[in-house]
Amino acid sequence: NIVMTQSPKSMSISVGDRVTMNCKASQNVYNNIAWYQQKPGQSPKLLIYYASNRYNGVPDRFTGSGYGTDFTLTINSVQAEDAAFYYCQRIYNSPWTFGGGTKLELK
Amino acid sequence: QVQLKETGPDLVQLTQTLSITCTVSGFSLTTYNVHWVRQPPGKGLEWMGAMWNGGGTDYNSAFKSRLSISRDTSKSQVFLKMNSLQTDDTAKYFCARQSLGALFDYWGQGVMVTVSS
Repeated sequence: NIVMTQSPKSMSISVGDRVTMNCKASQNVYNNIAWYQQKPGQSPKLLIYYASNRYNGVPDRFTGSGYGTDFTLTINSVQAEDAAFYYCQRIYNSPWTFGGGTKLELK
Repeated sequence: QVQLKETGPDLVQLTQTLSITCTVSGFSLTTYNVHWVRQPPGKGLEWMGAMWNGGGTDYNSAFKSRLSISRDTSKSQVFLKMNSLQTDDTAKYFCARQSLGALFDYWGQGVMVTVSS
């Protein structure tokens, strides 16, 4: 079964910084990756799909990239409201495996 | 508008069966797939399985022997049943709609289930 590994597990960033988080698939998933943001007590919200496409209404400071096994979510000029957990997910094919998540904290 | 709402018990006894209903509105179960995802307290998301728009199902192999997903299209409901519950099945259980583009675009608010001994 495919394994999605996210790194780092957590990071502490200042408002206005640029942050990059990673997602590595254990096998080639082409561009079949989505990224979600989840805040405490809320459901996950779709940010990026097919590795690099921003979902409706997602601010353009969120950028996804990558192909094959290595993927990146970048947030330019982090805002206070970006403090959350971020999850990658293999999409399009089963199993629809999630990564373990990256916690983004603001200093 | 598109909505999904999970309903189920707060507490289930050890070794018993969990039953959760996902009631959807704003779309048809014969057009869209619906997935189940769970999240133990303080932990990440785990995909459990799916109900396909054509009526078929798909399961995470980690649950296959004790998980069953079904639906009632006339009531716009998808059902999750999982037996032989253990304490590590304590989690918030979400249903989510899979868009036509294979994305999980709408999620329910989730239902928190505690397995108690």
